[in-house]
Amino acid sequence: EAQVTQNPRYLITVTGKKLTVTCSQNMNHEYMSWYRQDPGLGLRQIYYSMNVEVTDKGDVPEGYKVSRKEKRNFPLILESPSPNQTSLYFCASSLLGRTYNEQFFGPGTRLTVL
Amino acid sequence: GQQLNQSPQSMFIQEGEDVSMNCTSSSIFNTWLWYKQEPGEGPVLLIALYKAGELTSNGRLTAQFGITRKDSFLNISASIPSDVGIYFCAGPNYGGSQGNLIFGKGTKLSVKP
Repeated sequence: EAQVTQNPRYLITVTGKKLTVTCSQNMNHEYMSWYRQDPGLGLRQIYYSMNVEVTDKGDVPEGYKVSRKEKRNFPLILESPSPNQTSLYFCASSLLGRTYNEQFFGPGTRLTVL
Repeated sequence: GQQLNQSPQSMFIQEGEDVSMNCTSSSIFNTWLWYKQEPGEGPVLLIALYKAGELTSNGRLTAQFGITRKDSFLNISASIPSDVGIYFCAGPNYGGSQGNLIFGKGTKLSVKP
C-alpha cells in the first residue's frame, strides 16, 4: 500500500531535550516536505527536499533541522525543543515535475513540549 | 509574501445542501489545489487545477481556477455527513524557492444529518 509513515504519532517531551520525528515513504517520490499545523493558522511549510542531499527552507524553518540521506526518509530534528514548537506535524511526499504540488500526507505527529 | 485567504472560515449546513467556498490571493497563482482534512488525519488531495478558467470535477466536488488567476472556488453538491472536515486551498509560492507550497487557513465544514 502506497503510504507516508511518521513516527512517533504522539510525543510529549520537555524543553531542550533533542528529538527526531521520522518520515518514510514507499512511493519512490523525489519530493518530501514537513509542515506544522496550528489552530487558526492552517499548514505552514517547515522544510522541503527536492531529492537526496537537497533541502531548502520553507516558511517557518527556525528551530528545526532536516536531512535527506536516502530517498525514502526525511527526518525532522528538533535540537532544543521549546514550548512554541508544540504543534501537529505532517510529512508529505510527491513526484517532481509539475505535479510536485499533488502531495501525499502522512497521518501526523502530535508533539507537546513542556 | 504570498498569502491565501479562504472564506468562509466555517460553515454549518444541513445534509443535502450545496456548499460553496473560495480562496483568494493578491498575487497570481499558476496552480491551485484543494485538499481535505478529516478529523485526526492528514490532508488528502481533492482536485488540482493548472489552467486559468479550468473547471474540474471529482464526484460531487467541482473546483474552478479563476480567470484572473487570483482566486479559486470549490463547490460540493448534495452534501453528506462524510463531507465533514477542513478544506484547504494551496498553491506554489512563486515568491519563494521552487518547492515552497503555501496553504490557506482552511474552511471548516460541519454537516448536520
